Amino acid sequence: AQKITQTQPGMFVQEKEAVTLDCTYDTSDQSYGLFWYKQPSSGEMIFLIYQGSYDEQNATEGRYSLNFQKARKSANLVISASQLGDSAMYFCAMRGNDYKLSFGAGTTVTVRA
Amino acid sequence: KAGVTQTPRYLIKTRGQQVTLSCSPISGHRSVSWYQQTPGQGLQFLFEYFSETQRNKGNFPGRFSGRQFSNSRSEMNVSTLELGDSALYLCASSSNLGSYNEQFFGPGTRLTVL
Repeated sequence: AQKITQTQPGMFVQEKEAVTLDCTYDTSDQSYGLFWYKQPSSGEMIFLIYQGSYDEQNATEGRYSLNFQKARKSANLVISASQLGDSAMYFCAMRGNDYKLSFGAGTTVTVRA
Repeated sequence: KAGVTQTPRYLIKTRGQQVTLSCSPISGHRSVSWYQQTPGQGLQFLFEYFSETQRNKGNFPGRFSGRQFSNSRSEMNVSTLELGDSALYLCASSSNLGSYNEQFFGPGTRLTVL
């Protein structure tokens, strides 16, 4: 079974600054995928970025980058140049060999003007 | 390309009733997964269907069931509703099984059990 840990329940960030959201995971699978999702107050889960366990380079999607440290089982999300529209709940998730997507508890990000 | 759609968006039921939620995946996607989201338990995996077959199941009682049709559309049924079933139910689709396939979520159905 996989376990995803997000230790930051809530964070405040100033507009235009960068913010790092922590995520650690625990799995015995050799092959797995790591995902980050954004959930605005409307409830819809929006896919942000993906990192495969065998990918050597950190994933990047626009202002989102994933800082993947496999040995530490860490997959932190970095949001650069924060915007007011980035205010939302962010979930780290992992899918292993059982194909189940396991989520962390989430981190609420509030961007201040 | 249209995204994942879920109907209805909101639902109010009373204890003991049963409910059916519907999910239409992205065109061409063959895998549909269901999740329950509550403030207390967070996001929990219910089940996954691929090519009309249940491939995976989470730790939920038998009151929770689902199915997938030949066009990949999926339904989820909850019988004998309990107050604790009040939640946001999210459906997600992906093109295939496998840990490397990202899942795209629908807007969810918010179920309230009175």
